[in-house]
Formats: sequence, structure tokens, C-alpha cells
Amino acid sequence: DVKVTQSSRYLVKRTGEKVFLECVQDMDHENMFWYRQDPGLGLRLIYFSYDVKMKEKGDIPEGYSVSREKKERFSLILESASTNQTSMYLCASRKYTGTGGTDTQYFGPGTRLTVL
Amino acid sequence: AQKITQTQPGMFVQEKEAVTLDCTYDTSDPSYGLFWYKQPSSGEMIFLIYQGSYDQQNATEGRYSLNFQKARKSANLVISASQLGDSAMYFCAMRDFQGAQKLVFGQGTRLTINP
Repeated sequence: DVKVTQSSRYLVKRTGEKVFLECVQDMDHENMFWYRQDPGLGLRLIYFSYDVKMKEKGDIPEGYSVSREKKERFSLILESASTNQTSMYLCASRKYTGTGGTDTQYFGPGTRLTVL
Repeated sequence: AQKITQTQPGMFVQEKEAVTLDCTYDTSDPSYGLFWYKQPSSGEMIFLIYQGSYDQQNATEGRYSLNFQKARKSANLVISASQLGDSAMYFCAMRDFQGAQKLVFGQGTRLTINP
């Protein structure tokens, strides 16, 4: 079974703090994603990574950065947390076995971040 | 751009009944993938079922089936013999073949199963 884990289920931080959200997958997947989920706005892509040290901006990258030093780990960094970054953060890992095969994103349990 | 529409904000169903959750999509790409996810109150997004645009048959996974009508651009999820544990938010999603291969999600349907 695919397993995606996130470092915290709940996190409370203060405005201006630097925040690290960690995501780990154990299936040697190349593609990993960070989304945030907000009521009424659905899930929106923040950043994604094709492979180690490769990253691309998603739809809402402002205020965030990412790091992928090892294949299994994809970190989301809030350089200076703000109250509008209070949200549910979901990490996903993509299993792809080629054309006509499996192509599915598996999600971690999510981190509910509150910025005070 | 791809778009997913789920027109049912909430649904209430009696236990053991079948339920259909609606999903329509819009894309100009001839090759795409459609997904359904379940999100219980705990927050985790659980993959349920996948349908590729070139798949000839409707996808099935246990009690879940996807009613894929390509000409109508609809991908409804059918849950047979509903259970109390099926109460959750359900999201329809489409894979974006451009760039990131990200998923584009609908707004979701909150399903409540009544005993």
C-alpha cells in the first residue's frame, strides 16, 4: 500500500514565524505535490516536484517555498507565516506506471495550520 | 482550462440505499483522467476510483463504480449499499495533462448516510 505521511496533523504558529511542513512517501514516486484546501475555494496547488531538486510553482506559490533534497521527502516552507496562510495543507505523491497503467495521486493525512 | 462541477452541495441517503454523486467536467484535451476522492472529517483525502478517457468500460472498485458518459462529459460516482461510514465529503477531480499533472478538483458533495 502507498503511504504518505505528514509531520504534523495540527500546528499553531505565530505571525512572522518560519514554518516547515514535511511530507514523506515510501514508494519511490518521482512526482510530489503540495495543495492547500480552504472552504469555498477547494484544493489549490502550491508547488510540485518532478524529482529530486526539481520544483515548479503551482497556482498559488506566493509566500511559500519548497525543498526536495531526497526523493522520499518534500518540504513546504512558509518563510514568514501570515494569518491568511491558516489552512489545511495536503501533500500528495503520484504513482504512475506508464501509458494505460496506473496514474493516481495519493494524499497524506493533512496538516491543519493555524497562524495567530 | 479544465473545470469540474459538482452541483450537489449535500445529499442525505438512507443506509443500504444506492447513491449517485454527480460530476461534470470540461476540457479540450482528448486525453484525461477522472478521479473520485473521499474526505472524512479527519481530513485525509482517500482515493476511491479512477477512469481514463480512453477506457472502454466503466471503472469499478468494490462498492464504488464510475458512470462515465463521455459525450455528456459526466463522471458520476455510484455507491451501492451505502453504509454509515460512507458519510463524508466526496470530491471529483480531473488530471491536468499540462505541466504539473496536477489534479483539478470540484467543490465537493457532503454525503450523509442516515441509519
